Amino acid sequence: QVQLQGSGPGLAKPSETLSLTCGVSGYSISRGYYWGWIRQPPGKGLEWIGSIYQSGSTFYNPSLKSRVTISVDTSRNYFSLRLRFLTAADTAIYYCARQNQMLYWFDPWGQGTLVTVSS
Amino acid sequence: QSVLTQPPSASGTPGQRVTVSCSGSTSNVGSNAVNWYQQLPGTAPKLLIYSNDQRPSGVPYRFSGSTSGTSASLAISGLQSEDEADYYCAAWDDSLNGHYVFGTGTKVTVL
Repeated sequence: QVQLQGSGPGLAKPSETLSLTCGVSGYSISRGYYWGWIRQPPGKGLEWIGSIYQSGSTFYNPSLKSRVTISVDTSRNYFSLRLRFLTAADTAIYYCARQNQMLYWFDPWGQGTLVTVSS
Repeated sequence: QSVLTQPPSASGTPGQRVTVSCSGSTSNVGSNAVNWYQQLPGTAPKLLIYSNDQRPSGVPYRFSGSTSGTSASLAISGLQSEDEADYYCAAWDDSLNGHYVFGTGTKVTVL
């Protein structure tokens, strides 16, 4: 059974960089699939941030592309998100999930990490 | 910001049929597979329908999906109390070098 576990700080300061990791168990990242990040501001809808393949190739939401970097470590079976120049608008629950390569659906999802951006 | 439009809310009594619409465009729903997610209160989203009308293992038969042109629909037949949740459509969008877009979300309430 594939499981994803996100981790990272619950509080970050404006203008700083957020770093989150997602550990994968029950499936080797190197076998395939894309691996992605999605976020959800409190009380609002879902927003795709970006995704990465095992090879390291990435694709990002155009609205966040200038501030986002997603990386993968296949030897340790986890992938990471870095989001720069934080503002209060980046306050959200950040989910990691496995993404189908052809049809792009996300399944399964991690439990989510609430990140609050505040000074 | 979302390019897929859903009604904010829908409701029904137990046993009724409820439908949720998802309106997109030729660059997303009109040319790519639609997926639906269910988000129960306080939990992570869960894949409910993929590739327009396919149910993952374990998803009850009362959930079904369909598409027509640039619109998609999720139907819940025989509504149950545990179906009270937020529902999101999503699809790949071919514009701007390609990106994944979610719908605005619909809160389904069981009366």
